[in-house]
Amino acid sequence: KAGVTQTPRYLIKTRGQQVTLSCSPISGHRSVSWYQQTPGQGLQFLFEYFSETQRNKGNFPGRFSGRQFSNSRSEMNVSTLELGDSALYLCASSSSAGGNQPQHFGDGTRLSIL
Amino acid sequence: KNEVEQSPQNLTAQEGEFITINCSYSVGISALHWLQQHPGGGIVSLFMLSSGKKKHGRLIATINIQEKHSSLHITASHPRDSAVYICAVKLSPIQGAQKLVFGQGTRLTINP
Repeated sequence: KAGVTQTPRYLIKTRGQQVTLSCSPISGHRSVSWYQQTPGQGLQFLFEYFSETQRNKGNFPGRFSGRQFSNSRSEMNVSTLELGDSALYLCASSSSAGGNQPQHFGDGTRLSIL
Repeated sequence: KNEVEQSPQNLTAQEGEFITINCSYSVGISALHWLQQHPGGGIVSLFMLSSGKKKHGRLIATINIQEKHSSLHITASHPRDSAVYICAVKLSPIQGAQKLVFGQGTRLTINP
C-alpha cells in the first residue's frame, strides 16, 4: 500500500501570498488531519476532515482553511501568508475520525515565508 | 502549563543502554500515541494506547490512566534509535474538540 503523499515537499513564498498544500491519504483511509510543526510551538493540530466534512478544528486563524474531496484527498490553504507561517506542515490519515486509530503521517511540506 | 509534558527534553546514552521517556498529561484522554520523528521530518506512529502495555520489538509502551502517565522504553538501544520521540493524547469527548495534543518531544541520541 502506498503511504501518505504530500506535495510539494518544499515551498518558498513571500508575505501576503497564499498557498495550497495537498495530501493524498492511504487508500481506504477517509480521515485526514493536518498539523503545523514549528521549533517554538512544536506540533499543533490544524483540522481534521472525514468524508469531506471538517470534523474538528484547532486554534488557528481563519486564514487557514482546508477541504477534502470525494476520493479523500485533502488540500490545505493558507491566505495572506505571514512570516510566522513558516513551518513544516504534516498531514496524517487514518481509517476513522477522532484520533482513536493509528495515524499514518506523510513526509510533510516545508513552507518558508520570505 | 502544557496539557502534555514530556521528560527529559534531551537524552544522550550509549549503545545498549535501556532508555525511558516519560509523558504526563493533565486532561481526560481516550487514547495516547507515541510517535518517532527522524531528522528528515517524517513521523512514524509507534504505539497507540488506551490502557496497559504494548510491545513491538525492542520498544515497550505503558500507560497508567489513573496517574495520567505513560512511558516509552527502548531496550538494547542502537544509534538508529536516535530521533525525536513525541507523545500525543487524544482528548476525551467531554474535553471538547476531538483533537490530538502533542508534547514538546524528547530528543534521543544514542552514541556507538
